[in-house]
Amino acid sequence: DAKTTQPNSMESNEEEPVHLPCNHSTISGTDYIHWYRQLPSQGPEYVIHGLTSNVNNRMASLAIAEDRKSSTLILHRATLRDAAVYYCILRDRAGTASKLTFGTGTRLQVTL
Amino acid sequence: EAGVAQSPRYKIIEKRQSVAFWCNPISGHATLYWYQQILGQGPKLLIQFQNNGVVDDSQLPKDRFSAERLKGVDSTLKIQPAKLEDSAVYLCASSFRWVGTDTQYFGPGTRLTVL
Repeated sequence: DAKTTQPNSMESNEEEPVHLPCNHSTISGTDYIHWYRQLPSQGPEYVIHGLTSNVNNRMASLAIAEDRKSSTLILHRATLRDAAVYYCILRDRAGTASKLTFGTGTRLQVTL
Repeated sequence: EAGVAQSPRYKIIEKRQSVAFWCNPISGHATLYWYQQILGQGPKLLIQFQNNGVVDDSQLPKDRFSAERLKGVDSTLKIQPAKLEDSAVYLCASSFRWVGTDTQYFGPGTRLTVL
């Protein structure tokens, strides 16, 4: 799986938007960009994924650069419950080896 | 819909002892994964099952770790004998299929402390 690079930590104020960046300069044409997050003392949970176009769901938005070498997870209004480690992961849509290869992620702190 | 169940949630053992973890995936999910998460790191895949067959166990320390998935449903992960460096959270996950984009659903994990 191709490597991703994320900042170790970020801070946000509650009810403010948060933009979590991810660089993946060696992404291949068949790689999807997935985001998972891990709340304290819980297993990771799926957030969102995309291939080329920007994506929106009830949890977040995913903005993908035109050259696909970077992406940004957007939380429109951060709450205290969004404090977690966010992982950006590339997954080959053409492959059957569907494991998730986690890096160290970005630890998001949300303050009042 | 019930999520992925794991037990026990916590386990403390002495080094060289044995321990087993149990996982019940979401009903109907063909693929089951065991991950190890050491403090401060992201989870690392230990083994992946499709139904009751092993797909990937390349990072499983086979001299001490073993896993099985009987009848393609529940799974157990065993460590025998445990070492201090096995202290970690062991996460079980499942997905409906084994394609590269299927969402994985994780259980709460078992926190193992080896003294």
